[in-house]
Amino acid sequence: QQPVQSPQAVILREGEDAVINCSSSKALYSVHWYRQKHGEAPVFLMILLKGGEQKGHEKISASFNEKKQQSSLYLTASQLSYSGTYFCGTEEGKFQFGAGTQVVVTP
Amino acid sequence: GAVVSQHPSRVICKSGTSVKIECRSLDFQATTMFWYRQFPKQSLMLMATSNEGSKATYEQGVEKDKFLINHASLTLSTLTVTSAHPEDSSFYICSASSGELYTQYFGPGTRLTVL
Repeated sequence: QQPVQSPQAVILREGEDAVINCSSSKALYSVHWYRQKHGEAPVFLMILLKGGEQKGHEKISASFNEKKQQSSLYLTASQLSYSGTYFCGTEEGKFQFGAGTQVVVTP
Repeated sequence: GAVVSQHPSRVICKSGTSVKIECRSLDFQATTMFWYRQFPKQSLMLMATSNEGSKATYEQGVEKDKFLINHASLTLSTLTVTSAHPEDSSFYICSASSGELYTQYFGPGTRLTVL
């Protein structure tokens, strides 16, 4: 079952924060986060495996809740380079991507 | 590390012809390769998963006779779109995994346009 991502899109000014959520109705083995810029292939950001885990990649961090059914990606003090579409990928028997969240960071 | 190349990056062909897309892992051995297609402003749709030396596993609704996948070695997988039609026009992306927890490294994608 495809994970549910929200919001669908978000527009930020440079320096603002945003949160992207990814949820499943069942406990997941893992959650992966990718970012895709227009016309390019997705780039791996991070993977979370354990309930309660938090992980960071520059000013982008993510958490995985204790029940392993929800993950959130945090964009802190956003930069112009953070613009793109963020996908979560979840592993629950098989690997599936969420629908994506388009992030636009403006000056 | 973890570089995946895809060739060609862009291809335009006539309806009814076949197109082959190559996906190579350049600096690691890919036990599993994935093929996706992506329509504009949409998510990646998994088409098939292939393991080296064995037949690909196709997702529901993907015609295996139309999208031929060969994973001949630990560094190369090919996708052949046979008898392509305009509705096959899309962005095709491969990814490769060394088996570690499904972490996938993506190729740059191939934009296929069928006239």
